[in-house]
Amino acid sequence: NAGVTQTPKFRVLKTGQSMTLLCAQDMNHEYMYWYRQDPGMGLRLIHYSVGEGTTAKGEVPDGYNVSRLKKQNFLLGLESAAPSQTSVYFCASTGRSDILISNQPQHFGDGTRLSIL
Amino acid sequence: KQEVTQIPAALSVPEGENLVLNCSFTDSAIYNLQWFRQDPGKGLTSLLLIQSSQREQTSGRLNASLDKSSGRSTLYIAASQPGDSATYLCAVDDSSYKLIFGSGTRLLVRP
Repeated sequence: NAGVTQTPKFRVLKTGQSMTLLCAQDMNHEYMYWYRQDPGMGLRLIHYSVGEGTTAKGEVPDGYNVSRLKKQNFLLGLESAAPSQTSVYFCASTGRSDILISNQPQHFGDGTRLSIL
Repeated sequence: KQEVTQIPAALSVPEGENLVLNCSFTDSAIYNLQWFRQDPGKGLTSLLLIQSSQREQTSGRLNASLDKSSGRSTLYIAASQPGDSATYLCAVDDSSYKLIFGSGTRLLVRP
């Protein structure tokens, strides 16, 4: 049972470099999310998607872009990395039911630890 | 704007003790409230989900309650074990399919 898989697990970047974080889920979930977790601040939503081909901004979207070209994949991009983007990034997904649309728990990946020097 | 607060930030108890973790939120208009467990270096694992129409949910030694009118939820852990040591996070679904998280309670159960 793979669930939600994040790639890579660790990465070190220099300021100004770009990279893409990949999230893949095998549960046929409609909704996917990218969060960042910083010490003492809990998880904050960066971007999310309610279906293939759709994306929307969360609480802290600046400096990030996302794409959802395939239902099972949700990509998070950093075009020009900054030290303030050093964090642990989590992807999550949840299913959809027309009746119970908001009553399914989110499933999380194990995170990507990103350091920007 | 919805804000979620968890108190205490850290808790250390001896094995076997019953304990309560607290979560409060500022806007009572929620769809559901979820409790998660996070082990060091790992992602979040869903423990309990309480729908807005419910007052509590139970799973094994865990019981979560919800009082929307007062903006509070508690997670009760019975007969704590060292394996319960982890960070516990609560999150509210504000009806837009997004979760707003508290900053968590770091629990240590001493053998």
